[in-house]
Amino acid sequence: DADVTQTPRNRITKTGKRIMLECSQTKGHDRMYWYRQDPGLGLRLIYYSFDVKDINKGEISDGYSVSRQAQAKFSLSLESAIPNQTALYFCATSDLGTDTQYFGPGTRLTVL
Amino acid sequence: DQQVKQNSPSLSVQEGRISILNCDYTNSMFDYFLWYKKYPAEGPTFLISISSIKDKNEDGRFTVFLNKSAKHLSLHIVPSQPGDSAVYFCAASIIQGAQKLVFGQGTRLTINP
Repeated sequence: DADVTQTPRNRITKTGKRIMLECSQTKGHDRMYWYRQDPGLGLRLIYYSFDVKDINKGEISDGYSVSRQAQAKFSLSLESAIPNQTALYFCATSDLGTDTQYFGPGTRLTVL
Repeated sequence: DQQVKQNSPSLSVQEGRISILNCDYTNSMFDYFLWYKKYPAEGPTFLISISSIKDKNEDGRFTVFLNKSAKHLSLHIVPSQPGDSAVYFCAASIIQGAQKLVFGQGTRLTINP
């Protein structure tokens, strides 16, 4: 079974719609992250959470919000999706004191 | 401003030869570096890392070299195998354990038979 899972794996939505991407992990890690990948830009950090009560903005948080419902769950929301949010989104986790992050399989989001 | 740069979007290497992937960084505060490998339809997976107190770290066919004065690191794969075909990302962090990574743009490596 995958240690970090993301749902949905693919999503097509329209401009202005609200959408939520979900991430769950069974690794027992406290730290969770959301990234987006765009061609030519690599992975950019959107939000990160070091524990259930800790939420921090990353490099590109505008237009996004997150919720850490439990140690194992971290969701990313687009309140009003726009076409330039079309990208591949990854959730990741890490254990305390290490820099190695473990990634989910990704969600491919298309905003029309 | 791209603090971690992989200037080669793609690289093609013959099976059995050496693959060398390069990464440059601009922030002298970075002190821990990682390489991730990504196959299509999968998330990135950790490959190898190096601390700034070292200039080389080796794990099987994979070796990472760090040149701090040049702010440059490279990943060597010897010998290259078809299963090594993937996108490779380098990443850096300020203070080992700070757990915020800055990624490069990625290099697509293709190993030809």
